[in-house]
Amino acid sequence: KQEVTQIPAALSVPEGENLVLNCSFTDSAIYNLQWFRQDPGKGLTSLLLIQSSQREQTSGRLNASLDKSSGRSTLYIAASQPGDSATYLCAVSTDSWGKFQFGAGTQVVVTP
Amino acid sequence: NAGVTQTPKFQVLKTGQSMTLQCAQDMNHNSMYWYRQDPGMGLRLIYYSASEGTTDKGEVPNGYNVSRLNKREFSLRLESAAPSQTSVYFCASSGRDRGDYGYTFGSGTRLTVV
Repeated sequence: KQEVTQIPAALSVPEGENLVLNCSFTDSAIYNLQWFRQDPGKGLTSLLLIQSSQREQTSGRLNASLDKSSGRSTLYIAASQPGDSATYLCAVSTDSWGKFQFGAGTQVVVTP
Repeated sequence: NAGVTQTPKFQVLKTGQSMTLQCAQDMNHNSMYWYRQDPGMGLRLIYYSASEGTTDKGEVPNGYNVSRLNKREFSLRLESAAPSQTSVYFCASSGRDRGDYGYTFGSGTRLTVV
């Protein structure tokens, strides 16, 4: 069974610093990987999706990398802002049905 | 605005009561999913529907039933609620059939079973 781990569970950084969020998974035979943002009491918003054939995806200040052989993905957020404070979840799919296995998330606080 | 709508947003049930959580999407997506989120844990898949008329079990289906009423609507039913079903429930949809695996989530239903 695919296990998805996100360490650390919580992270606090000063505004302007780059954020590095880690995700590891146990089965390297993934179909795709998706990063989400969740604000308190809200639903999840998809940030980036990386297909298994890709090494990275970028959107604005966000960049996600994928290394299937080592079972890792990293989400980079450049020049963090207080508005980036949220919980970030990583999710991995191992088939084409679109079912995802989620990590527990990393709670990020960006202090002004 | 296009998206996924869940109702109700909050619900308190007594043990043994039944209820149905509603989900509707206007994204023209074929695939829909129900997840539950518990503190300190990632989301876990309850059921999914790859297309209208089909449903399949996910990781934690016990105690739940689903209905894919039409392409837009996918409901989750608790027949006899138990305290272990206290959770936040999320519905999601994707255009998986046309290669769009990105999820659109609803805002969730916070359910408490006492």
